[in-house]
Amino acid sequence: DQQVKQNSPSLSVQEGRISILNCDYTNSMFDYFLWYKKYPAEGPTFLISISSIKDKNEDGRFTVFLNKSAKHLSLHIVPSQPGDSAVYFCAASDVGGGSNYKLTFGKGTLLTVNP
Amino acid sequence: DAGITQSPRHKVTETGTPVTLRCHQTENHRYMYWYRQDPGHGLRLIHYSYGVKDTDKGEVSDGYSVSRSKTEDFLLTLESATSSQTSVYFCAIRDGSNQPQHFGDGTRLSIL
Repeated sequence: DQQVKQNSPSLSVQEGRISILNCDYTNSMFDYFLWYKKYPAEGPTFLISISSIKDKNEDGRFTVFLNKSAKHLSLHIVPSQPGDSAVYFCAASDVGGGSNYKLTFGKGTLLTVNP
Repeated sequence: DAGITQSPRHKVTETGTPVTLRCHQTENHRYMYWYRQDPGHGLRLIHYSYGVKDTDKGEVSDGYSVSRSKTEDFLLTLESATSSQTSVYFCAIRDGSNQPQHFGDGTRLSIL
């Protein structure tokens, strides 16, 4: 049973436009959410996170939105740049439940930003 | 970059042989994790450690064991490798609350 779902395997956008990556989760105990970016032959790199007590977190060109009632989060990248082309993973954790901060990952979305 | 070193970076071995992967950190972080990444599956947790000699199973622990005898090293062992364990293995570390996990660059393991 997949608890974190990224239903779009790939996304292609033009440079300068907005990229929106989506993620859904089923476990209502998740209270901490993260996005990671991964380039080929490298490890995932932390991008941005959000706690369930917030509905938005912003860091430069990256904004994460959380809709708890819909169990949905999204990552907005504005403006998109060719260097943003990578696989993006959504991850979730049940921090309050004493999970030792274990992460459950989605399958990833390949973002391609075209010049 | 977080001080995480995974070794070896690449390994090819045969079915039935034992394999040990090493994760070494210089950050003195309490928590360490082993994941595998496979096409169509994202990253899946194998085992994790919440302190020296304190370890627990993750989502896909069958066929794997771990050991952590000192803070800086977390070893993942495949006692008798199978072709289904061909994968890319990532180690991650974290320290306290509200901090993300940071990942190493991975070990690509091929079992023939």
